[in-house]
Formats: sequence, C-alpha cells, structure tokens
Amino acid sequence: DAGVTQSPTHLIKTRGQQVTLRCSPKSGHDTVSWYQQALGQGPQFIFQYYEEEERQRGNFPDRFSGHQFPNYSSELNVNALWLGDSALYLCASSFPGVVNGYTFGSGTRLTVV
Amino acid sequence: AQSVTQLGSHVSVSEGALVLLRCNYSSSVPPYLFWYVQYPNQGLQLLLKYTSAATLVKGINGFEAEFKKSETSFHLTKPSAHMSDAAEYFCAVSDTGANSKLTFGKGITLSVRP
Repeated sequence: DAGVTQSPTHLIKTRGQQVTLRCSPKSGHDTVSWYQQALGQGPQFIFQYYEEEERQRGNFPDRFSGHQFPNYSSELNVNALWLGDSALYLCASSFPGVVNGYTFGSGTRLTVV
Repeated sequence: AQSVTQLGSHVSVSEGALVLLRCNYSSSVPPYLFWYVQYPNQGLQLLLKYTSAATLVKGINGFEAEFKKSETSFHLTKPSAHMSDAAEYFCAVSDTGANSKLTFGKGITLSVRP
C-alpha cells in the first residue's frame, strides 16, 4: 500500500521564479494538507484541501496557492519565490472523521538561490 | 491561538538511559496533543497521541507520554534509549476537530551515545 508520494524530491529555483510541488495521497485518503518546514524549525501549516476546495489556511501570503484534483492529488504553487521560501515542503493526507489520521510524505526540498 | 514550547534544541543520552523530551502547550480549548519523530530525509511519523481518553498514552517503539493539565505539559519518555532512537522529535497540538491543523514546536534533536 503506497503511502503519500511527493514530487520532486529536490528542486532548485531562482528568486522571482514560480514553482509547483505535487502530492499523491495515501490510498483511501481524500484530504490533503501542506506544511512548510524551514531548516531547524517545526513544520508550519500552509493550507488544507478537501473536495477540491481550500478548507483551512495558515498564515501564509497569497503567493502560496494550491489545488486539489478529482483523484484527490494536490499541487502547491508558490509565485515570486524569495530566499526565505527555501524549506522542506511536506504533504500529509488523511481521511475525514479520523482524529489526526495524517500520513506524511517525505517532502520536497526547495532551495531558492 | 495554540502553541507548543519545546525547551532546548538538543538532548544527548547514553544508550540504555532514560529519555525525557519536554513539551508544554498553550491552548484556549481542550487540546489534542501529539509526538512525531523525523529521521533524516524522511517525513514525520506519529509516535503517539492524546485525544482526551487516558492521560498516560503509550506509543510505538516503547515511547509514552503523560498529559498533565495542571502543568500544561505532555512530556515524552522512554525507559531505555536505543541507538535507533536518534532523530528529531516534534510535539504538536491541535483542536479537537477531525483533520484539524497541527501546530508544531521547534523540535528536539535526540542523540544517543554508545
């Protein structure tokens, strides 16, 4: 049973560019959450998608946007990249009604130069 | 707003010694509390969770944590450290809704000396 799959695993971008990160949830899961983990910090909640809509959002600017597809997979888009956007981006999937039934992916390491 | 404080960034213990990782939380509503472990270049793995049932929670790999409301704490312990326990540990809090967002602490790096 495949867990949460994220792609790519590593990415290097230049300041000002745009990036798209992808996440395939665990089989049977239909809710996807995204977290940003800066070096030496704990993960910070970006947003959560369910039924193709953003259900919750953390304290992140509008440069961060997302999408969920009918097959429950999700994308995280970041526009106008800053150096400070360099981080590990984690995707977590879950099934509704289960307390903290999150399964985390291994993340995408984004480096902005 | 909810928050979690993990004092210290690094704990070092000898193999076989007691592991104690501290976590204090702040929440205006009854919280759910969690401990996660992260190995290098990997995602987060749930060790255990408190969801208002028993205050002493047992998790995987011999870890346990006790919810103490009076102290607003949820410290993680393991009686005997193993080399394989070396990793980053995160305490997290959420409200009691399903699929509620997690608010994490900064994490503690656990080193285990042979």
